[in-house]
Amino acid sequence: DAGVTQSPTHLIKTRGQHVTLRCSPISGHKSVSWYQQVLGQGPQFIFQYYEKEERGRGNFPDRFSARQFPNYSSELNVNALLLGDSALYLCASREERETSQTQYFGPGTRLLVL
Amino acid sequence: GEDVEQSLFLSVREGDSSVINCTYTDSSSTYLYWYKQEPGAGLQLLTYIFSNMDMKQDQRLTVLLNKKDKHLSLRIADTQTGDSAIYFCAESYNNAGNMLTFGGGTRLMVKP
Repeated sequence: DAGVTQSPTHLIKTRGQHVTLRCSPISGHKSVSWYQQVLGQGPQFIFQYYEKEERGRGNFPDRFSARQFPNYSSELNVNALLLGDSALYLCASREERETSQTQYFGPGTRLLVL
Repeated sequence: GEDVEQSLFLSVREGDSSVINCTYTDSSSTYLYWYKQEPGAGLQLLTYIFSNMDMKQDQRLTVLLNKKDKHLSLRIADTQTGDSAIYFCAESYNNAGNMLTFGGGTRLMVKP
C-alpha cells in the first residue's frame, strides 16, 4: 500500500511568487496535516484538515492557506513568498480513530526561495 | 505555552547504548512521540507513549517518561551505524493527536 505522497519533491521560486504544494494521504486516511521544517529545526505545525474542514491552524501568516478535496488529498498554498519560507514542507496523514495515534509523514517538498 | 527541548548532538560507538533526552513544559500533554529523520527524508515514527505510562519497550527501543520532571528519554540498545540520524521528540495535547509540537532534534552519530 502506498504511503503519503507529496509533489513536487523540489521547487525553486523567487520572492513574491506563489507556490502550491500537493499531498495525497494514505488510502483510507481522512485527516491531513501540514508542517514546515526550516533547516536545522524541528517541524512546525501549519494546518490540519479533516473531511475538507480546517481543524487546526498554527502560528503562520495569512499568506499560507490550504484546502482538502473530496478524495482527501490536500494542497498548501503560499502567496508572496519570502526568503524565510525556504524549508521542507511535510504532509502527514492519520486515521481518525480514537485508538490511532500514528501520523504518517510523506517525504516532503523542499522549497527554495531566491 | 508549549516548548520541547533536546540536546543538539550525541556521538556513540557502534554496539553501545544511546540515550537521547527531551524535556517538555506542558503538563497537559497526552501523548509523547519519538521520530527519526534520515538525511533528505521525511519523518519516521519510532514509538510513542501515553502520558499515564512510565515506560515502553519495543525491541531495541526503550522510552522512559518522568512526568514529575517532564522528562522523556529514548534508549537505543546495541546502536548500529544505520541508527545515525536526527531524532525528534514531539508532544500532542488531545486524543486526536493532530497537532504535534516538536523539539529541535538531536543528531545521533554512530562511529564504527
